[in-house]
Amino acid sequence: QKEVEQNSGPLSVPEGAIASLNCTYSDRVSQSFFWYRQYSGKSPELIMSIYSNGDKEDGRFTAQLNKASQYVSLLIRDSQPSDSATYLCAVRGGGATNKLIFGTGTLLAVQP
Amino acid sequence: GAVVSQHPSWVICKSGTSVKIECRSLDFQATTMFWYRQFPKQSLMLMATSNEGSKATYEQGVEKDKFLINHASLTLSTLTVTSAHPEDSSFYICSAIPGGSLMDEQYFGPGTRLTVT
Repeated sequence: QKEVEQNSGPLSVPEGAIASLNCTYSDRVSQSFFWYRQYSGKSPELIMSIYSNGDKEDGRFTAQLNKASQYVSLLIRDSQPSDSATYLCAVRGGGATNKLIFGTGTLLAVQP
Repeated sequence: GAVVSQHPSWVICKSGTSVKIECRSLDFQATTMFWYRQFPKQSLMLMATSNEGSKATYEQGVEKDKFLINHASLTLSTLTVTSAHPEDSSFYICSAIPGGSLMDEQYFGPGTRLTVT
């Protein structure tokens, strides 16, 4: 079982719709959860971090965390073609390490 | 804030030569930096964790004698690919965590694309 799993996609949504990206993780003691956006040929860009159960909103983005289900998601409201990218879920495990475990990413395509 | 730069952004070198890549935190001090490698259509692979003033910690399967990491200051870490071969061609990305931050968000540099001919 992979430590961090994402559906590779592509996830295709029409412009203006809500895009829902999902991620599950295996390490139950994981403490920190991150969503990164990566455009083709570029490096990852941090979008959201979430540490507590529940929702965290930042503009058009909402991160949701459910530690009991070991599940974290990212909602993008009013999706724009410029949101088309690969979205990486990253998890920091428990303990002293600051290492992140990345999922393989979900490719999002927003259709104009 | 939390800007990380890398230099060069791309480099082409001949097989057998060495290449040095610099990673700098521009507006914060970073006690910990990370080096990743990414092959086309694959996810990020952590190569090593770089701590200022101490030896880097390499991930399993990463040759420490081939990928030399030096974190000499709180704002600079370098990765040297020694005796590069075509299979080392990849996208190398560094990241850093602002020191003293209560959060542990990693900020990535723009990456260095290495092509070994």
